[in-house]
Amino acid sequence: DGGITQSPKYLFRKEGQNVTLSCEQNLNHDAMYWYRQDPGQGLRLIYYSQIVNDFQKGDIAEGYSVSREKKESFPLTVTSAQKNPTAFYLCASSLQRAAPEQYFGPGTRLTVT
Amino acid sequence: GQQLNQSPQSMFIQEGEDVSMNCTSSSIFNTWLWYKQDPGEGPVLLIALYKAGELTSNGRLTAQFGITRKDSFLNISASIPSDVGIYFCAGQGAQKLVFGQGTRLTINP
Repeated sequence: DGGITQSPKYLFRKEGQNVTLSCEQNLNHDAMYWYRQDPGQGLRLIYYSQIVNDFQKGDIAEGYSVSREKKESFPLTVTSAQKNPTAFYLCASSLQRAAPEQYFGPGTRLTVT
Repeated sequence: GQQLNQSPQSMFIQEGEDVSMNCTSSSIFNTWLWYKQDPGEGPVLLIALYKAGELTSNGRLTAQFGITRKDSFLNISASIPSDVGIYFCAGQGAQKLVFGQGTRLTINP
């Protein structure tokens, strides 16, 4: 089955620790995205990547970092510099950057205490 | 930046009723998408609209791309319990996908 996987589903960390969220896709999509979702709000773009070894900041990139070493993988690191990291994180992919249809993974809920 | 206003924010309906929701923007979009999100899951793409005036159906769901290219509408006919969730509109502008705040649909049996 083709799709996007995110792991883990739930993640708990202490304040001051960096944490990396996994995102893998086997759809052969070129573009991948990370969004943050807070209760009662829409999705906000953190980072996106159009192609391997290239990525761009989205609207709320501060305190986050990404890498795109393989087409299938786009991990997100939430650093200790992110002031309010507790949120639901969603990874998505699209065939190309210009293709509007984005397909989402199941999400990772990160709780930092 | 570009923003979408989605309304209503929440709806409480009886099973079997029809549902209507919409999104409006001050900016023109080239594509409109509608997603449904179940609690604790990622959004699932329901319908994509590619040109002004387009009307597209997916089962009991019907969506329209507004003629001004600044709005879109989603209708659900004869609602059933599994329609419960949050519905998001998204507009594709020049650079990125912009999401509405969501409409939370609750169905009373």
